[in-house]
Amino acid sequence: GIQVEQSPPDLILQEGANSTLRCNFSDSVNNLQWFHQNPWGQLINLFYIPSGTKQNGRLSATTVATERYSLLYISSSQTTDSGVYFCAVSPGGANSKLTFGKGITLSVRP
Amino acid sequence: DTGVSQDPRHKITKRGQNVTFRCDPISEHNRLYWYRQTLGQGPEFLTYFQNEAQLEKSRLLSDRFSAERPKGSFSTLEIQRTEQGDSAMYLCASSLEWDKDFYEQYFGPGTRLTVT
Repeated sequence: GIQVEQSPPDLILQEGANSTLRCNFSDSVNNLQWFHQNPWGQLINLFYIPSGTKQNGRLSATTVATERYSLLYISSSQTTDSGVYFCAVSPGGANSKLTFGKGITLSVRP
Repeated sequence: DTGVSQDPRHKITKRGQNVTFRCDPISEHNRLYWYRQTLGQGPEFLTYFQNEAQLEKSRLLSDRFSAERPKGSFSTLEIQRTEQGDSAMYLCASSLEWDKDFYEQYFGPGTRLTVT
C-alpha cells in the first residue's frame, strides 16, 4: 500500500515564526488532505489539495503530485496552532480509504 | 450541516464486555468510514460503506469487530469480547462521492475507548 512520510516529526517555534511541514507519499494519489488534530482528538480539515496551491489566512499548502510531495506553510504562528498535523492520501476510485502519516507535533511557545 | 457526530464520546469497559459505537454522517454523504487511532500514531483504516454496502474491511478488523450501516444512514461499530489492545480512539468520517476519484473526508469527534 501507499506509504506516507511526514517531516519533521517534532517542531518547536516561537510565536510569530514561520514553518514548513512536509509530506512525501510513495504512489500516485487523487486525494490529499491536511488535518490539524486538536487536544480533544478531533481532526480538523485544513486543506483538500490533491494538486496545486491553496491559501486560507495564515495557512497555505502546495502539492506537487508529479513529484509526490505536499507542503503545509504556517506563517506568523500562534500558540493556538500547537497540536498534531496529519497528511493523508488515497488513490481514489474504489480505493478511497485514507492512509495517514505519523503526524508532526508542533509546539508554539509564547 | 451539523457535521459528523459520534456517540458516546468516551467509553470505559471491562475486558470481555461488548461495546457498540454509533456514527451519524453529514446528511447526504453516501460514504462512511471507520478508523482507529492509538496513542502517538496516525489513524488507521478499519472499514467503509457506500450507502448500505460494506465495500472494504481492513485486516485490522478481527472477527470480534462488526460494522453495519442500515438504510445507508447512521452506522454502528460493535466490538465483542473486548481486549485491552482495543483501547483506542475510534473515528468516523463521511464523504460525498461527487466524482469517482475525488472526495474529501470529514471526521467526527471520535469515541475514546478504554478497556480495563
